[in-house]
Amino acid sequence: EPEVTQTPSHQVTQMGQEVILRCVPISNHLYFYWYRQILGQKVEFLVSFYNNEISEKSEIFDDQFSVERPDGSNFTLKIRSTKLEDSAMYFCASRKGTGPIGNNEQFFGPGTRLTVL
Amino acid sequence: GQQVMQIPQYQHVQEGEDFTTYCNSSTTLSNIQWYKQRPGGHPVFLIQLVKSGEVKKQKRLTFQFGEAKKNSSLHITATQTTDVGTYFCAADSGYSTLTFGKGTMLLVSP
Repeated sequence: EPEVTQTPSHQVTQMGQEVILRCVPISNHLYFYWYRQILGQKVEFLVSFYNNEISEKSEIFDDQFSVERPDGSNFTLKIRSTKLEDSAMYFCASRKGTGPIGNNEQFFGPGTRLTVL
Repeated sequence: GQQVMQIPQYQHVQEGEDFTTYCNSSTTLSNIQWYKQRPGGHPVFLIQLVKSGEVKKQKRLTFQFGEAKKNSSLHITATQTTDVGTYFCAADSGYSTLTFGKGTMLLVSP
């Protein structure tokens, strides 16, 4: 069964460093998302991406964040200058976007645990 | 922004007991989705509710969407240890951006 994959599974970085989190969405999906989950807390929306551009972003997704789909398979989240409070699990998700109306299931990847020291 | 309240935050039951988690939104929802996250895992889609008053069943799980499309519930009948995890409701803005509730962590003792 197709699945969303993410690399690395765990990233440790120093405060102020840049990190790139990578995701490979399911191949025939059209909509892509990044979420984060601080330990023990709820899943928070960061950004959605469709047709090679951002379609929606949250207040969390400030100028330090960017997303890119550099080729036909990868979807990346970059944090330019990490802060301690960026430490969290980052989940990528994808959605098919076609098919029966109302079928909005999002498929989540296993996540990347980011630790900022 | 959209607010989604979910209660209880935590519930510990004995295997065989029932479990219910409730979700309330401050605004009328386009649809609502439910996800399950096992400890250390990622959210896994359970179901989507779209119609006012809709009720859907998946084996021992029953999902309801309120008439006003502002609240929803998930009920598990006769819990099993495999039901352990955190159950999240997620409100769909209509543009498929999901606003998650804080989740209800379910512990089931054998």
